[in-house]
Amino acid sequence: EVQLLESGGGLVQPGGSLRLSCEASGFPFSRYAMTWVRQAPGKGLEWVSSISNSGGTTYYADSVKGRFTISRDSSKNTLYLQINSLRAEDTGVYYCARGAPYDYWNFWGQGTLVTVSS
Amino acid sequence: QSALTQPASVSGSPGQSITISCTGSSSDVGSYHLVSWYQQHPGKAPKLIIYEVNQRPSGVSNRFSGSKSGNTASLTISGLQAEDEADYYCCSYAGRNAVFGTGTKVTVL
Repeated sequence: EVQLLESGGGLVQPGGSLRLSCEASGFPFSRYAMTWVRQAPGKGLEWVSSISNSGGTTYYADSVKGRFTISRDSSKNTLYLQINSLRAEDTGVYYCARGAPYDYWNFWGQGTLVTVSS
Repeated sequence: QSALTQPASVSGSPGQSITISCTGSSSDVGSYHLVSWYQQHPGKAPKLIIYEVNQRPSGVSNRFSGSKSGNTASLTISGLQAEDEADYYCCSYAGRNAVFGTGTKVTVL
C-alpha cells in the first residue's frame, strides 16, 4: 500500500525557516518524481514544486522560486521541502504527492500545517 | 502562472447532471492533454477522479467524466449523489510547471 507521511510543519515567525519531510513507503521511491502542493486556509490548491525521480531536475512555482528548495534522499525514501524567508502568505497545509508536474497525482499524504505568524 | 478559471459554485439535485468548466489558455489546457481533476472533502487530502482529460482511475465511479475543447476542460458528474458534495479542482500541465483551477464547490440540494 502506497503511503506518504508528511511532517515538519509548525508555527514559525515571518522570515524564519522550516524543513518539511515526506516519508514514502509501499512503492519504489527512486522510480517516481514527487511533488509538493499547498493550500492556504479556506483557499484553493496551489502547485509548489516538483523533483524528478533522480533529483536532477527541479521545478518551482514563481511564487516560491528562490525561497523554497525541494530535495530527496532515496536511501531514506524521503522527500524534503526547505522553506526560507517565510511570509504570512506561505501559511497553509502542505501536501506531498507522487508524480511530476506533467503527471497526475494519484497518491497524496495527509498534509502538514505551516503557520507563519508573529 | 495564473490559476485556471472555474465557477465558484455549482449545485444540483440528486440524480441530476452538472458540469464544471475549467478555462485556461494556449499555454496550459490548450496545449496539453494533461488535465486532471481532483475532489476534496473538508479536512481531507485531494482525490484524483480524472486524469489525462478523460481517463478515470480504478475505483472512481463512472458517473464522473471529463472532456476538453480548446482552452477549456470540463468535468461532468451524472446521477448526482449526496456524497459528491465537495470541492473540485482542475489541474493542467503548463510546461515545466502545473497550475490548478480556482476550485468549484458542488452543493447537492
